[in-house]
Amino acid sequence: DVKVTQSSRYLVKRTGEKVFLECVQDMDHENMFWYRQDPGLGLRLIYFSYDVKMKEKGDIPEGYSVSREKKERFSLILESASTNQTSMYLCASSFHFLPGYRVEQYFGPGTRLTVT
Amino acid sequence: KQEVTQIPAALSVPEGENLVLNCSFTDSAIYNLQWFRQDPGKGLTSLLLIQSSQREQTSGRLNASLDKSSGRSTLYIAASQPGDSATYLCAVGRRQFYFGTGTSLTVIP
Repeated sequence: DVKVTQSSRYLVKRTGEKVFLECVQDMDHENMFWYRQDPGLGLRLIYFSYDVKMKEKGDIPEGYSVSREKKERFSLILESASTNQTSMYLCASSFHFLPGYRVEQYFGPGTRLTVT
Repeated sequence: KQEVTQIPAALSVPEGENLVLNCSFTDSAIYNLQWFRQDPGKGLTSLLLIQSSQREQTSGRLNASLDKSSGRSTLYIAASQPGDSATYLCAVGRRQFYFGTGTSLTVIP
């Protein structure tokens, strides 16, 4: 079974702190994704990575950065946490999207981040 | 940009009823459509994946269909149970996945 793990289930940080969220997958997936989920807004893509050291901005990258030094690990960094970054953060992974290929996205359990 | 809509936002049914959840999308140039279930405070669990060349997929009491020409997918749940209560999300993928905001389903015993 594919396993996607996230470093913390719950996290409480103070405004201005630097925050690291880590995600690890064990299926040799090329693609990894970071989303945030807020009530009424659904899942919004922050960043995704399609290979080691490669990244692309999603819909809401402001205030975030990412790092992918190894294929199995994708980190989300909040350089200076703010209260409006309080949210549920979800990591996911998949193989490359190619026509005719069955590509499923697998999710981790999520990290509930509260910034006070 | 792809837009995905799920209607209704919430649905409440008595146990045993068959039901249909709807998902519509604006750009039919997709490779895959995936249905997920999410329990409160948890991550997403994959239910069914339909490749763009397929029209439907089945797993147990679940059946998902895809009509690319009309930009629609439906998730059919047969003989609903209280344990089916959750939020159901659809996502369409090409280079990345785009998600709807989900349908919150409550099955009343």
